[in-house]
Amino acid sequence: SQQGEEDPQALSIQEGENATMNCSYKTSINNLQWYRQNSGRGLVHLILIRSNEREKHSGRLRVTLDTSKKSSSLLITASRAADTASYFCASGGSNYKLTFGKGTLLTVNP
Amino acid sequence: GAGVSQTPSNKVTEKGKYVELRCDPISGHTALYWYRQSLGQGPEFLIYFQGTGAADDSGLPNDRFFAVRPEGSVSTLKIQRTERGDSAVYLCASSQDRRLTSSSYEQYFGPGTRLTVT
Repeated sequence: SQQGEEDPQALSIQEGENATMNCSYKTSINNLQWYRQNSGRGLVHLILIRSNEREKHSGRLRVTLDTSKKSSSLLITASRAADTASYFCASGGSNYKLTFGKGTLLTVNP
Repeated sequence: GAGVSQTPSNKVTEKGKYVELRCDPISGHTALYWYRQSLGQGPEFLIYFQGTGAADDSGLPNDRFFAVRPEGSVSTLKIQRTERGDSAVYLCASSQDRRLTSSSYEQYFGPGTRLTVT
């Protein structure tokens, strides 16, 4: 069963705007990861944040983690049409499993 | 280097038939995972291999599903007596041995096999 929930389910913005997606999870985690998926096929790892970290940056991506609220957010700055995809958060426990949310469908209009 | 590959990319089969889905992980990755993704949902864990053994198969929905990894590299997911509800994209991922490096938490996914049961 899926543990996390992304919010919003769908997001449509103009090129150049920032996109923020949120994720909630239910149990304690070791790390939280964000993945991107184009056209319902393979997922691409974007960024991993550990449970003892609060914020992490990678290029135009910024991820925050609030373990007290069991939530995370992904910010994509200066979005491009090529950023159009589905974005999933996945929580990782002390084991190897990833538990994915249902995803946010991001559409960036040129 | 080459990423995770999966074959076939698409498989259409009739209800009741047997299917095999193949996964070739990244060379040197000892951990291998199978996930199933239904339309509009995130991937759901099926089974995890560390080397040749299935370390956790708790995500397999029932005994019609079985997976092997005989030599610790290529894995095959086998589905017997397929049902229409088995239609989904089956994703395979691999990672380094998590016991060796903290970066092994990152999983590398293949393009998936879209299974359609008619």
